[in-house]
Amino acid sequence: GNSVTQMEGPVTLSEEAFLTINCTYTATGYPSLFWYVQYPGEGLQLLLKATKADDKGSNKGFEATYRKETTSFHLEKGSVQVSDSAVYFCALSGEGNTPLVFGKGTRLSVIA
Amino acid sequence: ETGVTQTPRHLVMGMTNKKSLKCEQHLGHNAMYWYKQSAKKPLELMFVYNFKEQTENNSVPSRFSPECPNSSHLFLHLHTLQPEDSALYLCASSQAGTQRSGYTFGSGTRLTVV
Repeated sequence: GNSVTQMEGPVTLSEEAFLTINCTYTATGYPSLFWYVQYPGEGLQLLLKATKADDKGSNKGFEATYRKETTSFHLEKGSVQVSDSAVYFCALSGEGNTPLVFGKGTRLSVIA
Repeated sequence: ETGVTQTPRHLVMGMTNKKSLKCEQHLGHNAMYWYKQSAKKPLELMFVYNFKEQTENNSVPSRFSPECPNSSHLFLHLHTLQPEDSALYLCASSQAGTQRSGYTFGSGTRLTVV
């Protein structure tokens, strides 16, 4: 079945550091890929998405590229801020009407 | 009001109580979901409704009872819960058949069972 594996956290970075959170997936066919963010005390918010191979999703300085050859969708940001502290979830939507599959989440803490 | 709204935001209940969680979406979506988020555990999909019909129940104990009276409203009825049921309960909605747009989540209900 479909699955998502993302790097274990927590990740602690200093402000303005470069961020990478790895995500790899297993799926049949051509899934869509998502990154969600959850700020403290809130639900999940869609951060960015990509629906086909080589697509790059971007939002708020975050980017992720859909790499079919490596089955990956790594999240990157060039310069993190304290306000980026949150839990980040990688997710996959398979073909058909199957529910989204989420990774376990990676907690990011950015310190000033 | 737009988006997905969940009420109440916080709920404390005893093990013998009966309560309900409410979810409402104003996005014109026709699929709705309940998730459970516990500390140090992955997100757990509980129930899925497509066009008001329940299409998935992931072995959820019967003390959780969902209800979807129309495509805009989703309830989770709770009775005789256990302390381990304490968690953040998240509702989400999407357009059925177009999973490529992702889900829209509510802010969740923080449930504490005492």
